[in-house]
Amino acid sequence: DQQVKQNSPSLSVQEGRISILNCDYTNSMFDYFLWYKKYPAEGPTFLISISSIKDKNEDGRFTVFLNKSAKHLSLHIVPSQPGDSAVYFCAASARNFGNEKLTFGTGTRLTIIP
Amino acid sequence: DARVTQTPRHKVTEMGQEVTMRCQPILGHNTVFWYRQTMMQGLELLAYFRNRAPLDDSGMPKDRFSAEMPDATLATLKIQPSEPRDSAVYFCASGKGQPNTGELFFGEGSRLTVL
Repeated sequence: DQQVKQNSPSLSVQEGRISILNCDYTNSMFDYFLWYKKYPAEGPTFLISISSIKDKNEDGRFTVFLNKSAKHLSLHIVPSQPGDSAVYFCAASARNFGNEKLTFGTGTRLTIIP
Repeated sequence: DARVTQTPRHKVTEMGQEVTMRCQPILGHNTVFWYRQTMMQGLELLAYFRNRAPLDDSGMPKDRFSAEMPDATLATLKIQPSEPRDSAVYFCASGKGQPNTGELFFGEGSRLTVL
């Protein structure tokens, strides 16, 4: 049972345009959400996070939006750059319930077209 | 530059052999996780330690997999006997635990191929 779902395995976006990656979750106990970026032959690296008490968090070109009622979050990258080409993983945890483990989605491969 | 260190980076072995993967978490981190990356499942949690105590290994095949933390600087994941379906990339990650942020820091992974 996949509790965190990324339904788009891949996405291609023109350089300079906006990239929007989506993620859905089913577990109502999740209260902390993160995005990780992964290049080939490297480990995932933390990108941005959001707590369930917020609906938006911004860090430079990256913004994460959380819609708790829809159990949906999205990552916006504006403007997209060639170096953003990577696999992006959405992750969730139930931190307020004392559970620090991250449950990951299956990832979305983003390709930025120059 | 603090980082999670994993060895070996690559391992090719034959079915039935024992495989041991090692991880050195970041100094001062008190949570350690083992994940496995597969095409179909993404990143699956295998085991989770806090202050060296195992908290969750429900994702791990118990009959052949075992995870331990002999001390605060070393976590191990052992597969005995290994099978071709165990072929994957295994990641170790560490974190500071509550009440800090939920960010985990990942190693570069150990790519295992079982023939």
